Amino acid sequence: NSKVIQTPRYLVKGQGQKAKMRCIPEKGHPVVFWYQQNKNNEFKFLINFQNQEVLQQIDMTEKRFSAECPSNSPCSLEIQSSEAGDSALYLCASSLEAAEQFFGPGTRLTVL
Amino acid sequence: GDKVKQSPSALSLQEGTNSALRCNFSIAATTVQWFLQNPRGSLINLFYLVPGTKENGRLKSAFDSKESYSTLHIRDAQLEDSGTYFCAAEAPSGSWQLIFGSGTQLTVMP
Repeated sequence: NSKVIQTPRYLVKGQGQKAKMRCIPEKGHPVVFWYQQNKNNEFKFLINFQNQEVLQQIDMTEKRFSAECPSNSPCSLEIQSSEAGDSALYLCASSLEAAEQFFGPGTRLTVL
Repeated sequence: GDKVKQSPSALSLQEGTNSALRCNFSIAATTVQWFLQNPRGSLINLFYLVPGTKENGRLKSAFDSKESYSTLHIRDAQLEDSGTYFCAAEAPSGSWQLIFGSGTQLTVMP
């Protein structure tokens, strides 16, 4: 089904630590999305990119979260100072413009 | 608020029976996707819909943008259909982000 690669699959951090996760989109997909899925199955859009440029991001992403999609390198999402409430499944998706999104297996972050 | 309202939240089916899941939208959804999330967390693409109907094996899905809803029909349910189903609507914001429903946890019993 999907060819989106996410690493690591699991990440455990202490409060205040940095947490970094990576995503390689499907080949030829210029648009990359990051979503957060919490334990209540609520999905929250975080940020998306078209090629290397940010299309849209939410307030949370602008403050403690940083993300980038450099050319010829994996995209990344980093939480600067992890909080317990950041524990969630972080999903990366990629797509052609205005089309079906394909998701990676996710990075499950646990903040102790 | 509930921009994408999905029902039911949980469903138990006997193997071989049929059922339907539904999502109602309070946003002007342009496209809809349906996913099955397996126990490991992977989201498996089931359907990508512009207004209309698609069928794939025992699954059939419809999206009516005028009436603001989408359905997923499962025919002859099998044990491997168990998992959590999500619908997601493309937000009208122009940046292609998806707004997800709250999921339907389906259990198919022998």
